[in-house]
Amino acid sequence: QVQLVQSGAEVKKPGASVKVSCKTSGYTFTTYSLHWVRQAPGQGLEWIGMISPSGGSTNYAQRFQGRVTMTRDTSTSTVNMELSSLRSNDTAVYYCARVSDHDDGDYGYWGQGTLVTVSS
Amino acid sequence: SYVLTQPPSVSVAPGKTATISCGGNNIGRKGVHWYHQKPGQAPVLVIYYDTDRPPGIPERFSGSNSGNTATLTISRVEAGDEADYYCQVWDSSSDHVVFGGGTKLTVL
Repeated sequence: QVQLVQSGAEVKKPGASVKVSCKTSGYTFTTYSLHWVRQAPGQGLEWIGMISPSGGSTNYAQRFQGRVTMTRDTSTSTVNMELSSLRSNDTAVYYCARVSDHDDGDYGYWGQGTLVTVSS
Repeated sequence: SYVLTQPPSVSVAPGKTATISCGGNNIGRKGVHWYHQKPGQAPVLVIYYDTDRPPGIPERFSGSNSGNTATLTISRVEAGDEADYYCQVWDSSSDHVVFGGGTKLTVL
C-alpha cells in the first residue's frame, strides 16, 4: 500500500533552515507529483509547493519563493523540503501529500506530518 | 490570487443534514476536492472532483459545484463526523493549489 513517512520533529532558531524529508513506498515513485502543505497551530491548510519526481521540476507558492527548495532522490524514493530564513510564524506541522491514483489534483495520500517549531 | 471562502463553523444535530459551502469566482468551472481533518491527524479526502467519493467514504457524503459555490453535504450526520472540513482547487491561472479557510463542523 502507498505510504508516506516523514522525518521527525525539529526545533530551530529564527534565521536558521530546516529540511523535512518524506520517504515514499508502495508505488512507482516517478509517476505522481508530491506536494507540501503546512498548518500553523489552530490554523488552516496552506500549500507550499510541489515537485515532479520524474524530472525534478518544481512549482512553489508565491509567498515561499526564494525561501523554499524541494528536491527528490529517486534512489530512495524520497522528497525533501527545505525552508530557509525561518521565523516564528513558520512554526507549523508540515505535511507531504501525493495526488490520488486518478490524478485529478486531489490528495489521496498524506504523510503523518512533521512539527517544526521556530523559537529563540 | 484565487480565494476560496468557507464559513468558519457549522453546527448540526445528529441524524440531520449538514451543508458546508465553498465560494470562489466561477468555482463551477474548477474541480473541487474536500477533506476532513480531526485533531492531531492528517487530512483525509472525502470528495474529489466535485462529486466523487474515494473508496471507504460513506455514501452519506456528497458534493456539488455550480456557479460561484461548491457544497459538501453530509446526510444523517453522526458524532464521528465532527471535524474540520477544507475545500481545495487547482487554480490554473496561477498554477497553484488553493485551500479554503476551513469549516469546523460541530455535532450538537
